[in-house]
Amino acid sequence: AQSVTQLGSHVSVSEGALVLLRCNYSSSVPPYLFWYVQYPNQGLQLLLKYTTGATLVKGINGFEAEFKKSETSFHLTKPSAHMSDAAEYFCAVTETSGSRLTFGEGTQLTVNP
Amino acid sequence: EAGVVQSPRYKIIEKKQPVAFWCNPISGHNTLYWYLQNLGQGPELLIRYENEEAVDDSQLPKDRFSAERLKGVDSTLKIQPAELGDSAVYLCASSSGGPSYNEQFFGPGTRLTVL
Repeated sequence: AQSVTQLGSHVSVSEGALVLLRCNYSSSVPPYLFWYVQYPNQGLQLLLKYTTGATLVKGINGFEAEFKKSETSFHLTKPSAHMSDAAEYFCAVTETSGSRLTFGEGTQLTVNP
Repeated sequence: EAGVVQSPRYKIIEKKQPVAFWCNPISGHNTLYWYLQNLGQGPELLIRYENEEAVDDSQLPKDRFSAERLKGVDSTLKIQPAELGDSAVYLCASSSGGPSYNEQFFGPGTRLTVL
């Protein structure tokens, strides 16, 4: 069975600082991995995804993530935080294209001025 | 292109009352998903449709929850009767299907409060 663990339910950074949100997964087959962002009272928006190929994936708004099979990790980073990055971030995994996504419990990112 | 549309956005009901949520997926998307998101948690799949067929409903509490997608386009999720623990956000998503991975696009959700 697939599962996702997000380390740290709340992360706080200063504006301009590095953002690092951690995600570890378990999967019995090569996974598809995703990061979604959710702003208050809105649905989820896809930031980036890993399906196959290059393990460093670039997404929208300057975010990127690296798939590390040996560590079963897919951490999300952004070199310089912006106030508009404050939101909840969800890591998700699926083993089959189009099937259910299994989400982590989310990380609330706060950006301080 | 319009995104996934859900209505209502907010619903407040008393326990034991019925409630229904509606979702219109992105045009041309064959796959439709209903997810439940409890406060402070990630979404969990309730049911997935491929066209009008429910292909994954293992997590749907069938004693009180039902869903339909009669013409393979829009879908309705119903709860009857609602319980206090059903207070949550109900998210609808859709994807286009096909051989390669297809992104799931999410609607804004319906926030249900059961009093």
